[in-house]
Amino acid sequence: AQSVAQPEDQVNVAEGNPLTVKCTYSVSGNPYLFWYVQYPNRGLQFLLKYITGDNLVKGSYGFEAEFNKSQTSFHLKKPSALVSDSALYFCAVRETQTDSWGKLQFGAGTQVVVTP
Amino acid sequence: NAGVTQTPKFQVLKTGQSMTLQCAQDMNHEYMSWYRQDPGMGLRLIHYSVGAGITDQGEVPNGYNVSRSTTEDFPLRLLSAAPSQTSVYFCASASRIPSYEQYFGPGTRLTVT
Repeated sequence: AQSVAQPEDQVNVAEGNPLTVKCTYSVSGNPYLFWYVQYPNRGLQFLLKYITGDNLVKGSYGFEAEFNKSQTSFHLKKPSALVSDSALYFCAVRETQTDSWGKLQFGAGTQVVVTP
Repeated sequence: NAGVTQTPKFQVLKTGQSMTLQCAQDMNHEYMSWYRQDPGMGLRLIHYSVGAGITDQGEVPNGYNVSRSTTEDFPLRLLSAAPSQTSVYFCASASRIPSYEQYFGPGTRLTVT
């Protein structure tokens, strides 16, 4: 069975400072990993994904994430946070087996608050 | 492209009533799914479909039915609404090609009294 943990309910950061949102996962095989962002009263928007290849993945809005297989982590990072980055962030994982290709397991979400 | 659309945006039901949440996508995606979002629990998969005529249960299927008669549409039916079904419901679609990420609709906020 696959699972995702986001250990922080909320992350507070000052504008201009680095932002990190943590995610660890558990799957029986190789993972496909995703980050999504949700702004208030909106649906989820795709940020970035890791499928294979380079462990450092770059995505939308200046975000990036690093896949670490030994630590089973996929932390989301941004070098310089903006107030507009304040939102709810979800990490998601799925196994690579063909019969589960669409079944994403989501973490509980991390609320990011960026203060001016 | 409109992407993934959902109707209605808001709905209030009384316990025992039934209703259908509509979802449509215009991206020719083979995969569609329904999630519910509850505070502190992330998104939980209700039902999903890997193509027209094929559906399967997700993590929390009880009290919900789905069907997929066309590639574009994937309605979610609440058979007899209960207060525990108060939630925000999201529909999503995805394609194997090019890279699996799911596209989400704007959501339906459902309250059952």
